[in-house]
Amino acid sequence: AQTVTQSQPEMSVQEAETVTLSCTYDTSESDYYLFWYKQPPSRQMILVIRQEAYKQQNATENRFSVNFQKAAKSFSLKISDSQLGDAAMYFCAYVSAGGTSYGKLTFGQGTILTVHP
Amino acid sequence: DTAVSQTPKYLVTQMGNDKSIKCEQNLGHDTMYWYKQDSKKFLKIMFSYNNKELIINETVPNRFSPKSPDKAHLNLHINSLELGDSAVYFCASSQLNGVGETQYFGPGTRLLVL
Repeated sequence: AQTVTQSQPEMSVQEAETVTLSCTYDTSESDYYLFWYKQPPSRQMILVIRQEAYKQQNATENRFSVNFQKAAKSFSLKISDSQLGDAAMYFCAYVSAGGTSYGKLTFGQGTILTVHP
Repeated sequence: DTAVSQTPKYLVTQMGNDKSIKCEQNLGHDTMYWYKQDSKKFLKIMFSYNNKELIINETVPNRFSPKSPDKAHLNLHINSLELGDSAVYFCASSQLNGVGETQYFGPGTRLLVL
């Protein structure tokens, strides 16, 4: 079974600084997708970034970028120029491209990010 | 327009009652999901429907019964509610068959069983 591990329960960053959230996953499959979702206090789950495993290029969305290391099964999220609105719980998630995990998102435990002004 | 909506947003009820949560998506997606987020914020899938057909049914008590009248709606009915059912329930939807496609989440329904 696939598992996703976020080893940092909490992280903090100063406004305008950069922070990296860690995520590792375990899978025997070669084709899959990885996601970072953000959950602010409003509890809405918001997609931050998506990575296809077959793409070597790291995904980027404005101030958010990932460091995808397929061999190491690592998928970290870098937030540059942190803003107060980035404060939230961040979830790393995995979905297989096939098999019995078809369409099923497996989430990590989450990392609470605090942004200090 | 809200892409994925859930009603109600809050639900407080007594043990033993039966309750339903409704979900609707206006994104034209084929696949819909129910997730449960427990008190420790851990998210776990419960069910998934693709074009009204159940495709994922995780180990969930049979007191939970999803129903999909059409591909834009997925409801969750819970019988004989227990204290441990207290959680936030999220509906989500995705395009095509849901494989690798981004899942869009509803605002969640916070269920409190007293």
